[in-house]
Amino acid sequence: SYVLTQSPSVSVAPGQTATIVCGGDNIGSKSVHWYQQKPGQAPVLVVYEDSDRPPGVPERFSGTNSGDSATLSISRVEAGDEADYYCQVWATGSDFFGGGTKLTVL
Amino acid sequence: QVHLVQSGPEVKKLGASVKVSCAASGYNFTDYSIAWVRQAPGLGLEWMGWISTSTGNTKYAQKIQGRVTMTTDTSTKTAYIEMRNLRSDDTAVYYCARVDDYFNYYDPWGQGSQVTVSS
Repeated sequence: SYVLTQSPSVSVAPGQTATIVCGGDNIGSKSVHWYQQKPGQAPVLVVYEDSDRPPGVPERFSGTNSGDSATLSISRVEAGDEADYYCQVWATGSDFFGGGTKLTVL
Repeated sequence: QVHLVQSGPEVKKLGASVKVSCAASGYNFTDYSIAWVRQAPGLGLEWMGWISTSTGNTKYAQKIQGRVTMTTDTSTKTAYIEMRNLRSDDTAVYYCARVDDYFNYYDPWGQGSQVTVSS
C-alpha cells in the first residue's frame, strides 16, 4: 500500500495563488498526476507527469514534485477553479489517490 | 474526439450483482487500458483496478478482489465491470477512464454510473 496525504481544504482569494500539497513517502521518485473535480462532474486531468499540462489546461496550473511532497499550484485563481483536487500515483503495482483537497475561492 | 460513455444508474439489493458498461469512441480501443474508479457519497476517489484491452490482463484493488471482474469486448469497444455480492458500502458513482499506459494517467473519464445498493 502507498498512502497519499492531502489537506482537506484550501481557501484563497481571487487573483491569488493556491497551493495544494500531496504528501507521500519519497513521492519525488514517482510520477504524480492531478485531477480537478467539480460538483456532480467526472474528474478532469489538469497536470500529468509532475508538471505537464494536457492541451486546453491554462498555464495558471503548474506542478512540482520533490522529496516527500508534490505540489499543484494555481496562479491568478478564478471563481471557476473552485473544485476538489486529487493527486494520483502509481506505486507497488497499483494506483493510489490522495484524499482530495477542496479549493474554496473566497 | 475521445469519449467514454457509461451505462445508466442501477439500484440493487444487498448480495446482488451489477454490471456497468463503458463504451469508447474516437481512438483505437486496444491501444489503451481502461481503469475503474469509484466514489462513495461525499468521499474521495477509490481506485478499483484496470484491464489491458489488448491482452485482457487485469489488476484489481485488494479490497475488492474476489468480488470484481473487469472484461472488455473489443468488437464493440466496450469495457465492463461486474461487482458481486454487493454491500451497502458499494453504493457509489463508478467511473471508467482511459489509461495512458506510458505515464499511467487517466484521461478522459466517463460520465460516471450511479450504483445504489439497498436492503
